[in-house]
Amino acid sequence: KNQVEQSPQSLIILEGKNCTLQCNYTVSPFSNLRWYKQDTGRGPVSLTIMTFSENTKSNGRYTATLDADTKQSSLHITASQLSDSASYICVVRMKTSYDKVIFGPGTSLSVIP
Amino acid sequence: DGGITQSPKYLFRKEGQNVTLSCEQNLNHDAMYWYRQDPGQGLRLIYYSQIVNDFQKGDIAEGYSVSREKKESFPLTVTSAQKNPTAFYLCASSLGGKETQYFGPGTRLLVL
Repeated sequence: KNQVEQSPQSLIILEGKNCTLQCNYTVSPFSNLRWYKQDTGRGPVSLTIMTFSENTKSNGRYTATLDADTKQSSLHITASQLSDSASYICVVRMKTSYDKVIFGPGTSLSVIP
Repeated sequence: DGGITQSPKYLFRKEGQNVTLSCEQNLNHDAMYWYRQDPGQGLRLIYYSQIVNDFQKGDIAEGYSVSREKKESFPLTVTSAQKNPTAFYLCASSLGGKETQYFGPGTRLLVL
């Protein structure tokens, strides 16, 4: 079954600290993996996208990694800010005629002062 | 100001009532999508349209209907057949079916 799992479900960290969010998937055939940030009550916004051949991709303080062999990805946030408080969603696209997209349940991050 | 808009932000539905959620984009995107988001679950695809006057069912289409008469617009109707409509509804669009999806701000539907 094609699934995307994320851990932890929720996380609270102090402002300025680093954190790492995990994504495991069983999606096949794999096309790409994307991390989205979703602020409360808003639509998701894309942070990074990685294809099979890419191991790491950075976007400012966000760094995503991908291990296609173990089907795992992580999103590392450096020097967290209050504005990082949001849900982070891992999304895997299948390589099919339509390219079906499968969303993970998200990790809720709260950054506190 | 380019983007994708949804209205209303909040919508209340009475038992047995159909309601329509609006989604408009001025990004000149061919593909549009409707997702439902429930707490603790990933987004689930309701319907998608890859081109004007054509649309396909997603994973949870029962109790919903859509139309795609204009490239810019993809309204979603939640019918009385949808027994558990309370959720956050997100509309998205992309240049093509394989491209990045851009999301609207969402509509929260509540049942009275």
